[in-house]
Amino acid sequence: DVKVTQSSRYLVKRTGEKVFLECVQDMDHENMFWYRQDPGLGLRLIYFSYDVKMKEKGDIPEGYSVSREKKERFSLILESASTNQTSMYLCATRGPSYEQYFGPGTRLTVT
Amino acid sequence: DQQVKQNSPSLSVQEGRISILNCDYTNSMFDYFLWYKKYPAEGPTFLISISSIKDKNEDGRFTVFLNKSAKHLSLHIVPSQPGDSAVYFCAAINQAGTALIFGKGTTLSVSS
Repeated sequence: DVKVTQSSRYLVKRTGEKVFLECVQDMDHENMFWYRQDPGLGLRLIYFSYDVKMKEKGDIPEGYSVSREKKERFSLILESASTNQTSMYLCATRGPSYEQYFGPGTRLTVT
Repeated sequence: DQQVKQNSPSLSVQEGRISILNCDYTNSMFDYFLWYKKYPAEGPTFLISISSIKDKNEDGRFTVFLNKSAKHLSLHIVPSQPGDSAVYFCAAINQAGTALIFGKGTTLSVSS
């Protein structure tokens, strides 16, 4: 079974703080993704990575950056958190097929 | 511009009956579609997929139908169970084959 873990299930941060969300997978998958999920908006792609040190912007990259120094780990960084970044953040991986496997999510609240 | 649309935000069904969740897409170049199920406070889990060369794919109680000419797909759940109550997302693989494009989701409630 594919296992995707995220560093925190719930996180509360203050406006202006730098926030790191970490994702680790154990299946040696090349592709990793960060999404956010908001009510009524579905899942929106923030960034993805198809290899170590490679990254591509998704649909809503503004205010975010990512880091992939090792194949198994993909980090999402909020340089200066804002209240409109309060959301559920979901990490996913993908192997040779099209199916993506998601982690449990991090519910981030920015106050 | 939304490329994958789930026009019904919610659906209520009685236990034992059929649930039909619908999804429309705008890009005729999409050639692979997936359905995911999501419970609150959990990540989405993959349910079933279909390639554009097929018009039906079945897995137990779940069947996905694809109508390419109408750019429409549907997920049938028969019989529906209370544990099926969740948000269902339709997704298409993008033209580059690199990422999924998700619909906004349909919340299914199955009452016993």
